Amino acid sequence: DIQLTQSPSSLSAVVGDRITITCRASQTIENYLNWYHQRPGKAPKLLIYRASTLQSGVSSRFSGSGSGTDFTLTINSLQPEDFATYYCQQSYTNPRTFGQGTMVEVE
Amino acid sequence: EVQLVESGGGVVQPGGSLRLSCAASGFTLSRYWMHWVRQTPGKGLVWVGRINADGSDTFHAGSVMGRFTISRDNTKNTLSIQLNSLRAEDTAVYYCLRATDPVNRAFDLWGQGTMVTVSA
Repeated sequence: DIQLTQSPSSLSAVVGDRITITCRASQTIENYLNWYHQRPGKAPKLLIYRASTLQSGVSSRFSGSGSGTDFTLTINSLQPEDFATYYCQQSYTNPRTFGQGTMVEVE
Repeated sequence: EVQLVESGGGVVQPGGSLRLSCAASGFTLSRYWMHWVRQTPGKGLVWVGRINADGSDTFHAGSVMGRFTISRDNTKNTLSIQLNSLRAEDTAVYYCLRATDPVNRAFDLWGQGTMVTVSA
């Protein structure tokens, strides 16, 4: 199975900050990397697919990059609704796998 | 409204069975591959398996293979997963998900989840 390792596991930030989360795959996944966020008590929501394509309706302050094994999610000008847990997920092959999550907390 | 609504969760004893359902509305279910994912506080999000658009092909994760079975009834806009031989480690919130398309393969629609607790 392809392992996805996110870093950091958690981070503290304030509204307005620019933050970056990384996701490293145990083998190449081309650009089949998706990003989700999950607010407490809610289902995850798709933010970015194929590493860098913004899902319809998602704010342009979210951006993604990378290919092969190394990927990043960047959030510009963090907003109150962005405090959540972020997950990467590979759709290159079965079984689909997720990173362990990055919790973005209020500093 | 485009949505997925899971049902059927509950408390079951180890070795028991449960059938979860996922009702789709607001879109044509038969056009999409569908997946199940579960989430536990300790292990995060874990993919359970998927079924292709017409239901002719399924793929289950190794941890549930032979115990769980995904199926669908496109005429009823319903996805299901049969959970057999349940173990304590199957305790989780179970989500049904829609995959965008065979090219992009992301999960663009999630249900609200249904809780399964396996306990004596």
